[in-house]
Amino acid sequence: DAMVIQNPRYQVTQFGKPVTLSCSQTLNHNVMYWYQQKSSQAPKLLFHYYDKDFNNEADTPDNFQSRRPNTSFCFLDIRSPGLGDAAMYLCATSRESRNEQYFGPGTRLTVT
Amino acid sequence: KQEVTQIPAALSVPEGENLVLNCSFTDSAIYNLQWFRQDPGKGLTSLLLIQSSQREQTSGRLNASLDKSSGRSTLYIAASQPGDSATYLCAVRPNSGGYQKVTFGTGTKLQVIP
Repeated sequence: DAMVIQNPRYQVTQFGKPVTLSCSQTLNHNVMYWYQQKSSQAPKLLFHYYDKDFNNEADTPDNFQSRRPNTSFCFLDIRSPGLGDAAMYLCATSRESRNEQYFGPGTRLTVT
Repeated sequence: KQEVTQIPAALSVPEGENLVLNCSFTDSAIYNLQWFRQDPGKGLTSLLLIQSSQREQTSGRLNASLDKSSGRSTLYIAASQPGDSATYLCAVRPNSGGYQKVTFGTGTKLQVIP
């Protein structure tokens, strides 16, 4: 089935140790999004790609970076994770910017 | 700035009840509204998408309505089942100025008691 896949599902990293989360999609959608969701909070958009065009939200910390080497894959890099970065990270896609969003299962990040 | 509110934050009902979840938003200039389900520790599953020109959408036991002028949407669940227990979130996409800037509510946590 066409879908959005995130790896790993659970990631534990140490304070300050760089970590990379990955997302892949078989939907061939143009837009890929990264959201951060903390416990009992709404998902918060970090950035998105329209094709190779990167769009950063104004309040996304510089500690967060992203790469999209091709249509199918998108990566979230956290350069120096802090305790406050522990959260669920959700990847989503949509065919165009206005269309329905499809989410992956998320990666639960723990920072020790 | 768009604000999306979902009240109540939590709801507990006996199995078989029909129920309504509410979503309100402050800026009526929306392109569409999407309802999602989120199980604990999991990602979001899309339930229904309503375009701004539509009044309602139905899928199985679910019916979502949209009153854009009053800034409200409801999700109606018929004959609730324990498997419906989850958090339900609504998300609003703006009509201009960055369609990607979807605003989510914080969700209603539903528990259906057998």
